Order: sequence, then C-alpha cells, then structure tokens
Amino acid sequence: DQQVKQNSPSLSVQEGRISILNCDYTNSMFDYFLWYKKYPAEGPTFLISISSIKDKNEDGRFTVFLNKSAKHLSLHIVPSQPGDSAVYFCAASNNNNDMRFGAGTRLTVKP
Amino acid sequence: NAGVMQNPRHLVRRRGQEARLRCSPMKGHSHVYWYRQLPEEGLKFMVYLQKENIIDESGMPKERFSAEFPKEGPSILRIQQVVRGDSAAYFCASSPARGNYGYTFGSGTRLTVV
Repeated sequence: DQQVKQNSPSLSVQEGRISILNCDYTNSMFDYFLWYKKYPAEGPTFLISISSIKDKNEDGRFTVFLNKSAKHLSLHIVPSQPGDSAVYFCAASNNNNDMRFGAGTRLTVKP
Repeated sequence: NAGVMQNPRHLVRRRGQEARLRCSPMKGHSHVYWYRQLPEEGLKFMVYLQKENIIDESGMPKERFSAEFPKEGPSILRIQQVVRGDSAAYFCASSPARGNYGYTFGSGTRLTVV
C-alpha cells in the first residue's frame, strides 16, 4: 500500500533557483511529516519535519509546507546549491504507527 | 561515534546461503526499524522491533526473513536461502521511543546475491 507518494522521480534545477519537491499521502491519520536527504552509499539523514498542527516550518534555506485538506506537503529549497543534489524522501507517521516513506525524488542542482 | 551502526557495509552471498545483517542502535534508543531499498525504488518498511519484541512485521516477506532484537546485542535481520531478488540496500534506523520522532539511520548494508 503506497500511503506516501512522490510522483516525480527526478528534478533538475539551476543553482540559485528554487527547488520544490512534492509529496502526497492518503492516510488521514498521519500527523507528523518529515523530509530526509540521502546521498549515494549513505543512510538517509533527517532534514526537516512538520506537525499536522502547523502549515509551515522553516529552517534556513529549507521550508516545508503542509496542506492537510489536500493531503499534500512540499519542500522548498531556496536558493538551491550543488551540494543539495541528493535523493529526497518524504515520510509520514502518526503516534501509534511506524514511519512510511515515499519512493524519493532525485534532485540535481546544476552549477 | 554514537550513531546507528550497521555491519557489514557490503555482503555478498551465493544463492541459497544465509545472510545476517546487524544493527546497533544509537545509545539510549530502544526502538529499531528495518527498511529495504531495492534498486531505483524508495525505502520499504520491513519490521519494527523493541527490545526482545517484534512490534510490527507487516513489511516482512512471509518466508525466509526474520528479525530479532535481543536484550543484549544488536538487532539482527536474517535472510535464509537468499535469492537474486534479495539484492538490495538494507537500512536500519532507531528512535528513542515510539511516536513522532525522527529516525536516525545507519549507513546500510548492501547485499548482493550472486
């Protein structure tokens, strides 16, 4: 069951521009959402999260937006840097269940 | 280094052999999760364990796969009679408690079945 979906397998952005990564979920019981970043041959690392009681959380160049009515969240990276090139996973959980991940979006930031 | 430790980093097994993957959670973390990433795919949940207990194994294949997290020692993911389709990266994560906590992931074990 694909409860968390990332429909764009890849995204290419010019350095300095905004990167927008999207994620949709189907389970309305999810109340906590996270983004992880993964480099090749490494484990995923936590990037930013948001609770369902908020609609926006910002941390430096990274902002996550949550639209509960649409069951949609997005990660904005601005300005994008070449070092941001990685696979980004969206994840969702609720307090009683384990985390479910999307399939990932490979972001390439071109110099 | 108090991170999640997985070993081995790379494991090669012939078809029919057994594979054992180890995961030592972060200090203070008693919840362990195993995920599998097949080539060109995302992270698929396999099993969630707490010390000496399997909490959720809904993502585990019905046969050949098992997991444990004993009172002492690392969590073990065991794959018996491996087949080529088992070739994947297996990631372990840990958290301090159940609920809305970010997981800390290990670097993974890349299993190759030849």
